[in-house]
Amino acid sequence: EAGVVQSPRYKIIEKKQPVAFWCNPISGHNTLYWYLQNLGQGPELLIRYENEEAVDDSQLPKDRFSAERLKGVDSTLKIQPAELGDSAVYLCASSRTRMDTQYFGPGTRLTVL
Amino acid sequence: GENVEQHPSTLSVQEGDSAVIKCTYSDSASNYFPWYKQELGKGPQLIIDIRSNVGEKKDQRIAVTLNKTAKHFSLHITETQPEDSAVYFCAASYMRFGAGTRLTVKP
Repeated sequence: EAGVVQSPRYKIIEKKQPVAFWCNPISGHNTLYWYLQNLGQGPELLIRYENEEAVDDSQLPKDRFSAERLKGVDSTLKIQPAELGDSAVYLCASSRTRMDTQYFGPGTRLTVL
Repeated sequence: GENVEQHPSTLSVQEGDSAVIKCTYSDSASNYFPWYKQELGKGPQLIIDIRSNVGEKKDQRIAVTLNKTAKHFSLHITETQPEDSAVYFCAASYMRFGAGTRLTVKP
């Protein structure tokens, strides 16, 4: 069984530029999560999807961050415009339901210059 | 919301010794407590979990204990090996993580 796939693995951009991250969850997993992981910290939830519906996005900075999960499968997280403080690893995870084990992708390391 | 505290932030042990990492949580309604291992350049990987109706769970060299009254749970690794070196995270309420413990096992 393929794991959670994320791309790109690394991204370097200048501040004020837009950036997008893509996630393909494990087949059959209805719940999808985006987390932010700063250096030396644990993952912090940005948004959770149940199928195509965003059900927990209270920690998502909506002035610059947006996310979508079309057809309840793949998901895209976008930042526009990026700021220096957005440099971090962005992790995607999926689970069969929200009460089941989460499986994480390898993450996208974003560097904003 | 849930607040999870994890200690220690770093832990260094000799190969063969035991390692213990502790977490406390604030929300008494939390009922699921997973532990993850994260290696460099990879996402966290579940190594063991425990639900609130159980006080202890063991899987080979790894065990987790839960004290719901005191709202704390611990990860125990026995007979540590160099490949156990990684960052370990606890979590509560499925989506609230501790800050992590960097475990180093010296050969």
